[in-house]
Amino acid sequence: EAGVAQSPRYKIIEKRQSVAFWCNPISGHATLYWYQQILGQGPKLLIQFQNNGVVDDSQLPKDRFSAERLKGVDSTLKIQPAKLEDSAVYLCASSLDQGALQTQYFGPGTRLLVL
Amino acid sequence: GEDVEQSLFLSVREGDSSVINCTYTDSSSTYLYWYKQEPGAGLQLLTYIFSNMDMKQDQRLTVLLNKKDKHLSLRIADTQTGDSAIYFCAEGHTGRRALTFGSGTRLQVQP
Repeated sequence: EAGVAQSPRYKIIEKRQSVAFWCNPISGHATLYWYQQILGQGPKLLIQFQNNGVVDDSQLPKDRFSAERLKGVDSTLKIQPAKLEDSAVYLCASSLDQGALQTQYFGPGTRLLVL
Repeated sequence: GEDVEQSLFLSVREGDSSVINCTYTDSSSTYLYWYKQEPGAGLQLLTYIFSNMDMKQDQRLTVLLNKKDKHLSLRIADTQTGDSAIYFCAEGHTGRRALTFGSGTRLQVQP
């Protein structure tokens, strides 16, 4: 079974530029998560989708971050404009459903450096 | 709010047992997880425990849960160099699907 795929793996941009990340979850997984992992910290949830609907985006800085999962499969996360403090690893995860046991499978992440 | 705390670093010798500790604050936590993160990789689920359990054993891994003290530990028996990684404790419950992660414990295994 293929895992969660993410691209690009690394990205370096200057502040105020825009950047987009892509995630392809495990086939058949209805729930998709985007996490931000700042160096030395654990992952923090940015947004959670159930199929193509948003379940939780309470921690997403909506003035600069946006995410979509239009067909309920792939998802993109965009930052516009980027700030220095956005430097982090952006992790995508998916789970089969919203059931009580949440086994989340993580992709390798996209490492973003904002200069 | 929810908070999960872990010590930052643990160093052990190959063949010894490792014990990684975690404390959490959310008394309504239903599930507690241990994830492993190797350099440049995503998080890999190692094991989990339901809050109504005290202990779970899975090969070299033993998870102990003290619900009264909100303390979780992961014991790795016969630690190998391949166990060197960052270990994250996470908690979740049915009312909130997202997980809350600790900051991770870096385990260094010396040959």
